[in-house]
Amino acid sequence: GQNIDQPTEMTATEGAIVQINCTYQTSGFNGLFWYQQHAGEAPTFLSYNVLDGLEEKGRFSSFLSRSKGYSYLLLKELQMKDSASYLCAVPSDTDKLIFGTGTRLQVFP
Amino acid sequence: DAGVTQSPTHLIKTRGQQVTLRCSPKSGHDTVSWYQQALGQGPQFIFQYYEEEERQRGNFPDRFSGHQFPNYSSELNVNALLLGDSALYLCASGVSYEQYFGPGTRLTVT
Repeated sequence: GQNIDQPTEMTATEGAIVQINCTYQTSGFNGLFWYQQHAGEAPTFLSYNVLDGLEEKGRFSSFLSRSKGYSYLLLKELQMKDSASYLCAVPSDTDKLIFGTGTRLQVFP
Repeated sequence: DAGVTQSPTHLIKTRGQQVTLRCSPKSGHDTVSWYQQALGQGPQFIFQYYEEEERQRGNFPDRFSGHQFPNYSSELNVNALLLGDSALYLCASGVSYEQYFGPGTRLTVT
């Protein structure tokens, strides 16, 4: 089976750095996605990791360790608009995505 | 190039009624997946359509059914609505594992 765990809520201050963790258990591995979802809106793609290591994309970076079943999303120079839910997801062997419950991030001034 | 589109945006139905939600995939995509997202939860996979056939299905009852048309657009039908069906219904299209989501339909069952 497949299981994904991530913290339910996190808070941070504008300008700070925050790390959102995700652990997963899957039968087979086809990469890991991070999506951002603002309240009432659709998830938008942030990153896709299939190899171990850190991938940086502007203020956002994503890390993967396949041996540990672990990923994190790192957000730097936080802005108020980064307040959203961050969803960790793994694809099954037939393209469907298995999502975690999401981490709701609140950024305060 | 239009992305994934869904209609309607919002919908209010009464218990026991039936509802049809619609989705048009992103241009060039032939696979459509439907997800249900309850408040405070991650999206849950309902089913996926490819070449007008249901290719796989998540853990949802038969009250949830769908269809894909020759132009790749898709419908999600839910019969005998329950209060627990209130959720954001997301449609996604993609190539392989990269999925693009539509804006969703917010269904409220009263």
